[in-house]
Amino acid sequence: GAGVSQSPRYKVAKRGQDVALRCDPISGHVSLFWYQQALGQGPEFLTYFQNEAQLDKSGLPSDRFFAERPEGSVSTLKIQRTQQEDSAVYLCASSLAGKVWTQYFGPGTRLLVL
Amino acid sequence: RKEVEQDPGPFNVPEGATVAFNCTYSNSASQSFFWYRQDCRKEPKLLMSVYSSGNEDGRFTAQLNRASQYISLLIRDSKLSDSATYLCAVNMDNQGGKLIFGQGTELSVKP
Repeated sequence: GAGVSQSPRYKVAKRGQDVALRCDPISGHVSLFWYQQALGQGPEFLTYFQNEAQLDKSGLPSDRFFAERPEGSVSTLKIQRTQQEDSAVYLCASSLAGKVWTQYFGPGTRLLVL
Repeated sequence: RKEVEQDPGPFNVPEGATVAFNCTYSNSASQSFFWYRQDCRKEPKLLMSVYSSGNEDGRFTAQLNRASQYISLLIRDSKLSDSATYLCAVNMDNQGGKLIFGQGTELSVKP
């Protein structure tokens, strides 16, 4: 079946621009996660949804970062007024209810802020 | 100190070698442990969950040592196709599905 998909795959933004990154989880997956991966580092947790409820947003680095999942399926991660330090790969993962730690990752969106 | 730490490597080994990676975690409340594999410019893929009793999947063996707070991954008879970055990940039971990843250990298997 189809895996987690993310769009765009690549995004170049000028500093100060707003960006929106989309994640389509695996159909039927209740849980959805966003991670940020800097070059040479492991993924770092940003936020977590169960259906449409955002249960944990402790990893969002600043109030410029905002995530939503209004209908409990597709999710959007929005970054306002992008900064160079926001350059990273943004990974989305989803999992089934009851198997929340078995997370399937999407291919990521590579964001470069100039 | 980082919550989850790995030796970044790279580990350069010949085909057929046995290689072991360790990963230490700082929070004794950690409940679940995983090894992921990440190929260059690709997403992480779950390789193995790590159970208290240890577990094996073909050439791969994962161990957990709660007393010393580390997990390990052993790869036997390494293949060229094993070349990748190996990430350990840890979850604490009271944090939902949040995974804390190490920085990854790069493995390069040479002919």
